[in-house]
Amino acid sequence: GNSVTQMEGPVTLSEEAFLTINCTYTATGYPSLFWYVQYPGEGLQLLLKATKADDKGSNKGFEATYRKETTSFHLEKGSVQVSDSAVYFCARTFFGNEKLTFGTGTRLTIIP
Amino acid sequence: GAVVSQHPSWVICKSGTSVKIECRSLDFQATTMFWYRQFPKQSLMLMATSNEGSKATYEQGVEKDKFLINHASLTLSTLTVTSAHPEDSSFYICSASDNMNTEAFFGQGTRLTVV
Repeated sequence: GNSVTQMEGPVTLSEEAFLTINCTYTATGYPSLFWYVQYPGEGLQLLLKATKADDKGSNKGFEATYRKETTSFHLEKGSVQVSDSAVYFCARTFFGNEKLTFGTGTRLTIIP
Repeated sequence: GAVVSQHPSWVICKSGTSVKIECRSLDFQATTMFWYRQFPKQSLMLMATSNEGSKATYEQGVEKDKFLINHASLTLSTLTVTSAHPEDSSFYICSASDNMNTEAFFGQGTRLTVV
């Protein structure tokens, strides 16, 4: 079936460390891929997205590249900050359809 | 980005009572709203999709008589959990879209605890 699998957390890193959160998807067709972030006490916010193969989404120093050959959309950031502590969700949908399928979420904690 | 407000942010109710959760789009017209449910340490699961002025479309396994969804205007959708039981305790979150682009905007979620 169609699903999203992402790295289980929690993940704890020191400030300025390199971050990777893995995400892979199974899908037929041509999904759009998303990373959402949920800060404590807030709703989900779109962090970045990519709508076709080889697209790179980027925002706030985070990046993810749509890799069709490996069906992956790994989230990376070169130097994390304490303010990046949140839960990160990988998600997919299909073009023109806002129904989202989410991964289980990865809780990230950055320590000073 | 657009703002979606969800209310209440948390609620505790007794078994057998009903609880209503509101989802409002504050600065755009939400032709489509989605309701999700999240269990601890699990992903968000889509419960239903509602389009303004029409009946909601429920995902497989979601009881439509249990989770009543109303989308009577372009800025408001409500989810009513009827005859709530402890197993209904969960985090409920809505999202809204104006169908003009592929992004849906999320509310902050409602933590429901049934005792």
